[in-house]
Amino acid sequence: EAQVTQNPRYLITVTGKKLTVTCSQNMNHEYMSWYRQDPGLGLRQIYYSMNVEVTDKGDVPEGYKVSRKEKRNFPLILESPSPNQTSLYFCASSLSFGRTGANTGELFFGEGSRLTVL
Amino acid sequence: AQSVAQPEDQVNVAEGNPLTVKCTYSVSGNPYLFWYVQYPNRGLQFLLKYITGDNLVKGSYGFEAEFNKSQTSFHLKKPSALVSDSALYFCAVRVSGSARQLTFGSGTQLTVLP
Repeated sequence: EAQVTQNPRYLITVTGKKLTVTCSQNMNHEYMSWYRQDPGLGLRQIYYSMNVEVTDKGDVPEGYKVSRKEKRNFPLILESPSPNQTSLYFCASSLSFGRTGANTGELFFGEGSRLTVL
Repeated sequence: AQSVAQPEDQVNVAEGNPLTVKCTYSVSGNPYLFWYVQYPNRGLQFLLKYITGDNLVKGSYGFEAEFNKSQTSFHLKKPSALVSDSALYFCAVRVSGSARQLTFGSGTQLTVLP
């Protein structure tokens, strides 16, 4: 089954304790992205990756890091979490986002990871 | 810069009635427009898209959307609402030929009342 898998789905942590949210897709997609969802703000992009070893900042990258060492994995790292990073996080992937032509970049989303930072 | 506006945080409609969820956009260039749906405790699911061609686009679950270039709108519609359509709906836009990423609206909570 084609899917994007995030772990953990739920996490409560404390300020300053490093954590990683993993994301894996089994569709051989080139493009992957992280979003955070907050009430009234919709989805805001944190980081994205056009391919292996190619990452770039989205709209709200502060306090986050990412890496793309393999095509299928795109972990989100919070080196020193703070309470304002309490949010619902989504990983998404797409076949070849950003090109013109037949593929127009529909995103496949994971189920979400709800993070609470105390 | 590109942006999307969903002017209604909440839309309520009776089951069996037609529904409309509004979306307007602002881009420099030709837009690619998308609608996604989010059910409780789930990720977003793709519903439909407008790329080019017919202004009326049909998608999953009986939904359709009409692209109106002069009004820069892409409203989501369904002729007869179901209780199971109750969910959070997001409109999104990007510019064709650009590597710029999708910009999402703030979402509209649709509630279909039995």
